[in-house]
Amino acid sequence: QVQLVQSGSELKKPGASVKVSCKASGYSFTSYAINWVREAPGQGLQWMGWINTNTGNPLYGKGFTGRFVFSFDTSVRTAYLQISSLKAEDTAVYYCVREGMAAKGTYYFDHWGQGTLVTVSA
Amino acid sequence: SYVLTQPPSVSVAPGQTARIPCGGNNIASKSVHWYQQKPGQAPVPVVYDGGDRPSGIPERFSGSNSGNTATLTISRVEAGDEADYYCQVWDSSSDHYVFGAGTKVTVL
Repeated sequence: QVQLVQSGSELKKPGASVKVSCKASGYSFTSYAINWVREAPGQGLQWMGWINTNTGNPLYGKGFTGRFVFSFDTSVRTAYLQISSLKAEDTAVYYCVREGMAAKGTYYFDHWGQGTLVTVSA
Repeated sequence: SYVLTQPPSVSVAPGQTARIPCGGNNIASKSVHWYQQKPGQAPVPVVYDGGDRPSGIPERFSGSNSGNTATLTISRVEAGDEADYYCQVWDSSSDHYVFGAGTKVTVL
C-alpha cells in the first residue's frame, strides 16, 4: 500500500536550518509529484508548493520562496523539505503529500505523510 | 489570488445532516476536493472532483458544486465525524493550490 513516512520532530534555534524527509513506498516514486503543506499552530492548511519527481522542477507557493527548498533522491525514494534561517513563525507541522490523479484527469492529495513538527525556539 | 471561504464551525446532532459550504468566485467551474482532519492526525481526502469518494469513505459523505458555492454534505452524522474539514481547489490563474480556512464540525 502507498505510504509516506516522514522524519521525526525537530527543535531548532532561530537562524538554524532544518531538513525534513519523506520516504515513499508502495508506488512508482517518479510518477507522482510530492507537495508540501504547512499547518501552523491553531491555523489551517497552507500549500507550500510541489516538486515534480520526474523532471525535478519545483513550484513554490506564495510566501515560500527563498528560504524553502524542495528536493528528492530517487535512489532512496525520498523527498526533502529544507528550511533555512528559521524563524519562530516557522513553527508548524509540515506534511508531505502525494498528488494523485482522479478519473476526470484532475489532481488531488490522495496520500499524506504523518506530519513532522518543527519547533523554532531560543 | 483565489479565495475560498468556509464558516469556522458547524454543529449538528447525531443522525442529522451536516452541510459545509465553501464559497469561491465561480467555483462551479473548478474541481473541488474535501479533506477531513481529526485532532493530531494528518488530513484524509473524503470527496474529490466535487462528488467522488476515495475507496473506504462512506456513502454518507457527498459533495455538490454550483454557482459560487461548493458543499460537503455528511448524512446521518456520527460522533466519529467530528473533525475539521477543508475544501481545496487548483487556481489556474496563479498555478497554486488553495485551501479554505477550514470548518470545525461539532457533533452535539
